[in-house]
Amino acid sequence: DTAVSQTPKYLVTQMGNDKSIKCEQNLGHDTMYWYKQDSKKFLKIMFSYNNKELIINETVPNRFSPKSPDKAHLNLHINSLELGDSAVYFCASSHSGGAKNFGPGTRLTVT
Amino acid sequence: GQQLNQSPQSMFIQEGEDVSMNCTSSSIFNTWLWYKQDPGEGPVLLIALYKAGELTSNGRLTAQFGITRKDSFLNISASIPSDVGIYFCAGQEGYGGSQGNLIFGKGTKLSVKP
Repeated sequence: DTAVSQTPKYLVTQMGNDKSIKCEQNLGHDTMYWYKQDSKKFLKIMFSYNNKELIINETVPNRFSPKSPDKAHLNLHINSLELGDSAVYFCASSHSGGAKNFGPGTRLTVT
Repeated sequence: GQQLNQSPQSMFIQEGEDVSMNCTSSSIFNTWLWYKQDPGEGPVLLIALYKAGELTSNGRLTAQFGITRKDSFLNISASIPSDVGIYFCAGQEGYGGSQGNLIFGKGTKLSVKP
């Protein structure tokens, strides 16, 4: 019954590696998002995506790329991981930009 | 970019007390949302406000969309221990494209008085 799910919950990896985080929503929403929460708990938008448009926050490095195989999934790929990428990453979904439902988060630790 | 000022940053509560927190912005928003985040979990939507002046309740929680569209407050009445957590306000300019993205406040951390 989980509305927005993410895997894995925890991800520990070394600098320079490439990793992916998966996200699925079963709410029938048309827009999905990735947010990053830093160590001070500040939440910031990284991407928003529906089947027409990908909006990228200009501050996001191009090592991060979202991939959407279908409307219910938006995965996050990260290349050449850096120490500063350590954070909690949240997937979210909504109807056409309305109130967002968030996933449980993926805690990424880069060593 | 846009920023929201959320206050207080943290507060201690005693069971039964009423709690207030608010957010202000230099920009106008069309939607204000209030979320709660428990440790190790994602933010959970508490209240959504869509019209200036709107006052909405959800159990012991009440939130208002400021008449200027630049502020919102959240009140919690008769707090209980499970109210502890981090509360976030979020503003949204519009409904499509980048205007549908949320701008978050920095959170208000509620803890229990020792």
